Amino acid sequence: KQEVTQIPAALSVPEGENLVLNCSFTDSAIYNLQWFRQDPGKGLTSLLLIQSSQREQTSGRLNASLDKSSGRSTLYIAASQPGDSATYLCAVMAGSARQLTFGSGTQLTVLP
Amino acid sequence: NAGVMQNPRHLVRRRGQEARLRCSPMKGHSHVYWYRQLPEEGLKFMVYLQKENIIDESGMPKERFSAEFPKEGPSILRIQQVVRGDSAAYFCASSLPGGTRMDNEQFFGPGTRLTVL
Repeated sequence: KQEVTQIPAALSVPEGENLVLNCSFTDSAIYNLQWFRQDPGKGLTSLLLIQSSQREQTSGRLNASLDKSSGRSTLYIAASQPGDSATYLCAVMAGSARQLTFGSGTQLTVLP
Repeated sequence: NAGVMQNPRHLVRRRGQEARLRCSPMKGHSHVYWYRQLPEEGLKFMVYLQKENIIDESGMPKERFSAEFPKEGPSILRIQQVVRGDSAAYFCASSLPGGTRMDNEQFFGPGTRLTVL
């Protein structure tokens, strides 16, 4: 059974810092990995999707990497801003099943 | 292009009543997924549907819960005889029907927050 873990559970940083969020998964036979952002009381916004054959994806100040063999992904946020404050969720899609298995998230607070 | 639509956004039911949650996928998406987020817990997969077919319901509770995605109209998640433990946020996601990288990306709606009194 696939399990996804995110560390740390919460993170508080001053504005302008670069930061890294971590995600690990137990079964390396994944199809893809998706990073989402969730604002309080809101839905999920897809940030980046990395296919299992890829090593990284970039979008603006965000860069996600994937090391499938070690079961790890990182989300790098450059020059953080208060508007980046949200919960960041990592989810993996395994094999032929299309269901996503989610981590419990990292709650990020960027202080002005 | 409107995103995934869910209604109602908030739903209050008393124990024993029925709850019906609706999801309209993004235009051109024919795959729908339902997830549940219990208080202080992560999102858990419930069911995966294509038009008129349930593909994977391995995450759906065996009793009181059902889902459908008819040929016309939105997908419906139905919870009969609700109990307090059903209080949660229910999210719907949709994706394109193909097998490419772009097709597997799931786009989420704003969720329906169900409160059972």
